[in-house]
Amino acid sequence: AQKITQTQPGMFVQEKEAVTLDCTYDTSDPSYGLFWYKQPSSGEMIFLIYQGSYDQQNATEGRYSLNFQKARKSANLVISASQLGDSAMYFCAMREDNNAGNMLTFGGGTRLMVKP
Amino acid sequence: KAGVTQTPRYLIKTRGQQVTLSCSPISGHRSVSWYQQTPGQGLQFLFEYFSETQRNKGNFPGRFSGRQFSNSRSEMNVSTLELGDSALYLCASSSGPTGVNTEAFFGQGTRLTVV
Repeated sequence: AQKITQTQPGMFVQEKEAVTLDCTYDTSDPSYGLFWYKQPSSGEMIFLIYQGSYDQQNATEGRYSLNFQKARKSANLVISASQLGDSAMYFCAMREDNNAGNMLTFGGGTRLMVKP
Repeated sequence: KAGVTQTPRYLIKTRGQQVTLSCSPISGHRSVSWYQQTPGQGLQFLFEYFSETQRNKGNFPGRFSGRQFSNSRSEMNVSTLELGDSALYLCASSSGPTGVNTEAFFGQGTRLTVV
């Protein structure tokens, strides 16, 4: 079974509007971390936001916030006030505590396109 | 503070050849992980090195290998290249040995094309 599922292969959003990118995950480990990365066409993965499984509050980083619903095993990324520079691939990833080391498991990604 | 540096950025090789990719992590980071990114399979974990020891390996054939040096720089090697090895290879460095919240910093990747 897929550990990380991103059901939206591509999305359009109007500049200055908010957009939600979906991510659901599957794990039996009670301790895990969820990450969102942005990948522009240059290829580099840029860290956006992190949510720990024991965190009581949803994470926020500037225009990025994470809508964490633990019971539903979802960790959706919300980007407020979209900008043209937000056009990129977005990946949800998970690290489980029972995995030795720093391995990340990634979802298939969502391509976000911001329209002027 | 310098980021993660991967060299070369682009590479074209012929089937059957071998290739070595290099990754220099952020200064002070001792963990280096490698990922393969293809349109069909997405991002897949190859292996991770920490303090010169491989401690985790993904589901890849033995043609894929790696190592880490005492200065934390890492290399990955692919022998007997196949067309399917064409991909973007990403390296990530982390500071700590482990931890669910340990952030991974990625390089810009090496784009390998096998012809």
